[in-house]
Amino acid sequence: DAGVTQSPTHLIKTRGQQVTLRCSPKSGHDTVSWYQQALGQGPQFIFQYYEEEERQRGNFPDRFSGHQFPNYSSELNVNALLLGDSALYLCASSLVRQLNTGELFFGEGSRLTVL
Amino acid sequence: AQRVTQPEKLLSVFKGAPVELKCNYSYSGSPELFWYVQYSRQRLQLLLRHISRESIKGFTADLNKGETSFHLKKPFAQEEDSAMYYCAPLDRGAQKLVFGQGTRLTINP
Repeated sequence: DAGVTQSPTHLIKTRGQQVTLRCSPKSGHDTVSWYQQALGQGPQFIFQYYEEEERQRGNFPDRFSGHQFPNYSSELNVNALLLGDSALYLCASSLVRQLNTGELFFGEGSRLTVL
Repeated sequence: AQRVTQPEKLLSVFKGAPVELKCNYSYSGSPELFWYVQYSRQRLQLLLRHISRESIKGFTADLNKGETSFHLKKPFAQEEDSAMYYCAPLDRGAQKLVFGQGTRLTINP
């Protein structure tokens, strides 16, 4: 089991562009959460997907959107990129019935640089 | 709203010395708290949860409701403990973890 995998690992975009990041959860997991980690900060919750629907959302603008597919994989889309969107984007998976155990399995992240 | 504060961004101790990483939180109700760790070139992973009252890799953390703290402690630090540590209360309503800013722990030989 490769655990949570994310792609791409690094990418560079310019302001105003759009980006799509991808995540495959750990085998058997049905819930995917996305976090943004700016340099020197802790991860900030963006949103969470279960059964192909967004079930929770953090304090992020509508430019941030996502999707979950029937195979539980997920995408994070960011439109109209700003310099401040430069960060490490982390995907974490879990089982929805175990969310309150607090154990999330994280990917290695996708590092986005916006120029 | 859940808030968590880790007052030390950097902490450096010598091998064999005790280590304490501080975490303070604000939460209404019965909090559940966790410590996550990220070793160099590894992904973020759960270290321990307060409800288990467990000791992992020699680390313990006691929930002090009076002081609203959940400090992580180890009596004798080892070089392999060097890592980034995040305190994370669980927002049960939203079923999400709220991470602190993190403390980078460096153990000097």
